[in-house]
Amino acid sequence: DAGVTQSPTHLIKTRGQQVTLRCSPKSGHDTVSWYQQALGQGPQFIFQYYEEEERQRGNFPDRFSGHQFPNYSSELNVNALLLGDSALYLCASSLRGRAYNEQFFGPGTRLTVL
Amino acid sequence: AQKITQTQPGMFVQEKEAVTLDCTYDTSDPSYGLFWYKQPSSGEMIFLIYQGSYDQQNATEGRYSLNFQKARKSANLVISASQLGDSAMYFCAMRDLMTTDSWGKLQFGAGTQVVVTP
Repeated sequence: DAGVTQSPTHLIKTRGQQVTLRCSPKSGHDTVSWYQQALGQGPQFIFQYYEEEERQRGNFPDRFSGHQFPNYSSELNVNALLLGDSALYLCASSLRGRAYNEQFFGPGTRLTVL
Repeated sequence: AQKITQTQPGMFVQEKEAVTLDCTYDTSDPSYGLFWYKQPSSGEMIFLIYQGSYDQQNATEGRYSLNFQKARKSANLVISASQLGDSAMYFCAMRDLMTTDSWGKLQFGAGTQVVVTP
């Protein structure tokens, strides 16, 4: 049973560039959430996708956008990168409407903005 | 708005000893869930234990137990018989359960770094 997978593992970009991160949820899960974790801090919720729509959004600017595909996988896009976007980006999956006590995380993508 | 507070930035514990990690929360939601996650240096968040706000008994999962005191709004994690592999960052998190749309959003605390020594 495959868990949550994310790609790439590491990424280095320069200021002003755009980046796309990818996530495949755990088998049987239909909801994907994205989190940003700056060094030494707890993860911060970016947004959640279900049925290919953004359902909830945290306090992040419009530079952060996402997409969910029919197979439930998801992408996180960040435009006009800033130095402060350097962080570990975590994807989590869950099953909407049933498993209220489950949210499994992927290994994360570490983004460095120079 | 929800808020999670973890006041212990770091703790040392000897192998085979028990350790308690503090977590207090603030919410106006009548129905919520509380989670504890472990994050080793590799970065992956590992689910440890869950407590629902209406659960009558404290949750236990192997060596992990959750001391849930609803009136005090605290959800402390107890790790019994610590092992060297328990060295990691530990996060307390909360989820609102009022609507299914909110189930994907976890509010995390700042975390507590635990170092287990031989």
